[in-house]
Amino acid sequence: AQSVTQLDSHVSVSEGTPVLLRCNYSSSYSPSLFWYVQHPNKGLQLLLKYTSAATLVKGINGFEAEFKKSETSFHLTKPSAHMSDAAEYFCVVSPYNQGGKLIFGQGTELSVKP
Amino acid sequence: DGGITQSPKYLFRKEGQNVTLSCEQNLNHDAMYWYRQDPGQGLRLIYYSQIVNDFQKGDIAEGYSVSREKKESFPLTVTSAQKNPTAFYLCASSIARGDRNEAFFGQGTRLTVV
Repeated sequence: AQSVTQLDSHVSVSEGTPVLLRCNYSSSYSPSLFWYVQHPNKGLQLLLKYTSAATLVKGINGFEAEFKKSETSFHLTKPSAHMSDAAEYFCVVSPYNQGGKLIFGQGTELSVKP
Repeated sequence: DGGITQSPKYLFRKEGQNVTLSCEQNLNHDAMYWYRQDPGQGLRLIYYSQIVNDFQKGDIAEGYSVSREKKESFPLTVTSAQKNPTAFYLCASSIARGDRNEAFFGQGTRLTVV
């Protein structure tokens, strides 16, 4: 069965310092992997996606993620946090050939201190 | 502008009532999805539809019903059988073909039982 585990429910960083949000996945076949961001009481916005091309994926707002098959990980990083990055982040897997169904991690709340 | 529109943004339901949440998309996507979001639990799939006049149960379909009479519309009815309906409901759509499987989300409907 496919699953996604976000290793931290809450991460707090200072503005200008690096961000690391950790995600591990389990999938029988090569999945598609995504990171979404959600600001309070809003829908989800796609940050980036991996679909078996380059293992280092660049997304919007300076975020990027690296797909590591040997570690079954897809961690999200950003070199320098901004106050506007404070939000909830979801790591998501779309299993192969299942009509676009998405399996969500539990979410990581990112706080950014001035 | 293309996108997904959910209405209403806030909805209040009395005990024993059925309520219907609206979801419309003009992205020409074949697949549409309904998710429920509760604090600390990520998003859970209620129902999904890959084509007009066809839909499948997700992981938590009990107490919910859907229809897909038009490609653009995928309304969700929360019935009186759903014992704990208070939650944030998100609708999404996707091309869901090949590696074009990222989902686009509406802004959500917050349902509260009063």
